[in-house]
Amino acid sequence: NAGVTQTPKFRVLKTGQSMTLLCAQDMNHEYMYWYRQDPGMGLRLIHYSVGEGTTAKGEVPDGYNVSRLKKQNFLLGLESAAPSQTSVYFCASSFDIPKVAFFGQGTRLTVV
Amino acid sequence: AQRVTQPEKLLSVFKGAPVELKCNYSYSGSPELFWYVQYSRQRLQLLLRHISRESIKGFTADLNKGETSFHLKKPFAQEEDSAMYYCALRNQAGTALIFGKGTTLSVSS
Repeated sequence: NAGVTQTPKFRVLKTGQSMTLLCAQDMNHEYMYWYRQDPGMGLRLIHYSVGEGTTAKGEVPDGYNVSRLKKQNFLLGLESAAPSQTSVYFCASSFDIPKVAFFGQGTRLTVV
Repeated sequence: AQRVTQPEKLLSVFKGAPVELKCNYSYSGSPELFWYVQYSRQRLQLLLRHISRESIKGFTADLNKGETSFHLKKPFAQEEDSAMYYCALRNQAGTALIFGKGTTLSVSS
């Protein structure tokens, strides 16, 4: 039982490059989320999805886009990476209304 | 506005000492609150939720609506409790969790 899996685990990008982070869950969860974790800032919600084909903005959505074409996958895209997007990104999922959220192992992204 | 405040970045205690990690919230209506924990090199995981009124790994947390607090307590800290602890609140729309900034608990012998 893999739970929530994030790909890749580490990445270094140059300013202006684009990339996509993939989150996959095998628990048939409806809700999925992308958070970023920064020192002193805690976890901040970037975008979330309440079901296949739906997405919504969280607290810090600027510079990111998301897609939920399949229920099990939630993609986070950076169209033009900036150093301010250097962070650890966490994906999470929950069965329905968020009570118990299962987290991925995180993706450490550095933008130089 | 809905908000979670964890006033302490770092809490250092000795093994066997009592622990209290503070969490205050701002919310209209009846909140749903949680404590999540992240041990070194492990993923974030749920520790406990107020609605269950449970004790996990010796930790308890009571919702105090009058003081808008949900402090995490343990009577006797152990070294394996060292971790980052996040207090979380289900948002008003019921669609996501709002996290505090986290408190690092360091337990030394």
